[in-house]
Amino acid sequence: QKEVEQNSGPLSVPEGAIASLNCTYSDRGSQSFFWYRQYSGKSPELIMFIYSNGDKEDGRFTAQLNKASQYVSLLIRDSQPSDSATYLCAVIKPGGSYIPTFGRGTSLIVHP
Amino acid sequence: DTGVSQDPRHKITKRGQNVTFRCDPISEHNRLYWYRQTLGQGPEFLTYFQNEAQLEKSRLLSDRFSAERPKGSFSTLEIQRTEQGDSAMYLCASSSSGGPNTGELFFGEGSRLTVL
Repeated sequence: QKEVEQNSGPLSVPEGAIASLNCTYSDRGSQSFFWYRQYSGKSPELIMFIYSNGDKEDGRFTAQLNKASQYVSLLIRDSQPSDSATYLCAVIKPGGSYIPTFGRGTSLIVHP
Repeated sequence: DTGVSQDPRHKITKRGQNVTFRCDPISEHNRLYWYRQTLGQGPEFLTYFQNEAQLEKSRLLSDRFSAERPKGSFSTLEIQRTEQGDSAMYLCASSSSGGPNTGELFFGEGSRLTVL
C-alpha cells in the first residue's frame, strides 16, 4: 500500500460544476495535509493545508479531512477551465522530520 | 523576495557524465528539500537540509547522488555517472521551520535532466 494514494484520473467536469478530488493515506498518525496544484510543465504550488478534522474553506476551494477514515479531499466549486491541472496531495507523517510525502496526483480537466 | 531559483533549467547529458544542479532558496527559509519527479508521478523525496545540516536522505538516493548546502544558503545536487533512469525533473523547495506548517513548500521551477 502506498503511503499517499490518489486516483490518477483524468477527472473531467464541465465548467461551473463541483470537482471533487480525493486522497487516502496509510499512516494513521499523519499530522498535516496539503493540496498542491501543478500546471503542465510547471512546478507545484500550494493551494491549501488542513490539520484538523472537518472542513476548511478558502474561496472556491474546500479541504475536508477525516482522520478516522484516513482521507482528505479537495472540492473546487464553480470549476473553471483555468483549474485544469494536476492536484497533488501531500501528507506529513509522524516522526518529527516534517517531510511532505506526495501522492501521484489527480489530473483535472474542466471543459467549457 | 525572488522565490526559489534553480539552475540550469534543462540539462542534456550522455550516460556516464556527471551533472550538478544548483538551488537558491527563499532567503529567510532554513529548510531546503530536493525532490525528483517523473512523468505521471508525484514528487519523490530525495533529501533535505535544515540550515547547512543534511538531516535526512531517501533510500532512493544512491551513492551516485550527493547534495550539499554550504553555509546554509544555496544547495547543490550532484549526480555522478548518470544513467538513463536518472532522467527526471529535479525540484528544489524551501520552507521555514516550526511545526506542522513546515509542509508549506515553495518550489523552484525545476531542473529537467535528460540522459542519452
